[in-house]
Amino acid sequence: DIVMTQTPFSSPITLGQPASISCRSSQNLVDSDGNTFLSWLQQRPGQPPRLLIYKISNRVSGVPDRFSGSGAGTDFTLLISRVEAEDVGVYYCMQSAQSPITFGQGTKLEIK
Amino acid sequence: EVRLVESGGGFVKPGGSLRLSCAASGVTLSHTWMSWVRRAPGKGLEWVGRVKAEHEGGAIDYAAPVRGRFTLSRDDSENTLYLQMNSLTSEDTAIYYCATRWGYWGHGTLVTVSS
Repeated sequence: DIVMTQTPFSSPITLGQPASISCRSSQNLVDSDGNTFLSWLQQRPGQPPRLLIYKISNRVSGVPDRFSGSGAGTDFTLLISRVEAEDVGVYYCMQSAQSPITFGQGTKLEIK
Repeated sequence: EVRLVESGGGFVKPGGSLRLSCAASGVTLSHTWMSWVRRAPGKGLEWVGRVKAEHEGGAIDYAAPVRGRFTLSRDDSENTLYLQMNSLTSEDTAIYYCATRWGYWGHGTLVTVSS
């Protein structure tokens, strides 16, 4: 199974400041067509998960442009350029390149 | 607009069974990949299983902790996905979500396994 390791576990951030979450996979996530199936999801309290970014850096329609994804191979990053109050929640990286689909353990974003 | 609505959760004793449903609108389930994902109290997201689109073979696979106890199925006439859960343990206590294309999620249904 591919293990997804996220850091940090929690992140107290001042409003308006940037936040960065790292995710490392135990195996390369590139498939035979050159696609890398690494996604980022947000789960706000009491809400279902929400897809933010797919294939490393593609932002889902309606997601604010302060969210961006980057990386390659086995190392990936989610950056929130200026944290807003509505960004509070838990963020997960997810690989869907190979079954079983696996998630990082989650990063809790809190406002300082 | 794609809408997924889960139902069937509840309270069950260890060793018991439940069947969850995921009713879809705005999408034809047989044409898309569908997954079940759960989140146990105080824990992160955990993939449970998925079914591929019919035109891609419709294969089903499961996470190791539920393999042999849980069964995914689909009723195309009802456009509904099911998760039959047997031999439940306290470790299965969680909110269960269905999702498609990872961009569409239901609001979840709570399963509590306790004596």
